[in-house]
Amino acid sequence: GAGVSQTPSNKVTEKGKYVELRCDPISGHTALYWYRQSLGQGPEFLIYFQGTGAADDSGLPNDRFFAVRPEGSVSTLKIQRTERGDSAVYLCASRLNQGNTEAFFGQGTRLTVV
Amino acid sequence: AQTVTQSQPEMSVQEAETVTLSCTYDTSENNYYLFWYKQPPSRQMILVIRQEAYKQQNATENRFSVNFQKAAKSFSLKISDSQLGDTAMYFCAFTGGSEKLVFGKGTKLTVNP
Repeated sequence: GAGVSQTPSNKVTEKGKYVELRCDPISGHTALYWYRQSLGQGPEFLIYFQGTGAADDSGLPNDRFFAVRPEGSVSTLKIQRTERGDSAVYLCASRLNQGNTEAFFGQGTRLTVV
Repeated sequence: AQTVTQSQPEMSVQEAETVTLSCTYDTSENNYYLFWYKQPPSRQMILVIRQEAYKQQNATENRFSVNFQKAAKSFSLKISDSQLGDTAMYFCAFTGGSEKLVFGKGTKLTVNP
């Protein structure tokens, strides 16, 4: 596609449920990033993939959060046993490769845990 | 750890006027990149301008320019001839050797007609 696509655009879930957020990066981009943006804050880094492997997952807040990118393209962010504090906009970005090439962002998924 | 500070939660400017958004950062790295991103209500982060730390010349992109002061660790954004479409959140961001972007808390800019 022309840009980074994230689905769903909005997700409302009940506390304790499991959710999956999907990111379709720009075709050919090997680097993929997940960020979380809480209300009134800047995005915070969660995890970075180079190809299929997670090169840096130091931003994942706890073991309820997990992300995969099995074929080096689409990535899924998985959140188990959701909590109200997980409510935020989850942003995905992709880059052609490592280094100083521009990162392109999707429009994010707004997750609301009720 | 790197940090990015934006000390202006909100700013406003009249259409066609000039406005400057402030950003300071802290890092021990010598090679890094600095960015300004625009986030309209659509939520998509759009790159406005970027600066390589090793370049002394300030970056410019049409109506957008930066004042990069490496010794002071300051990276301000100047928007000239402000337009209504410039209304958005603006985020200053840093990246060094770790690949990830570190963002400030943002400045909400309103351009008034």
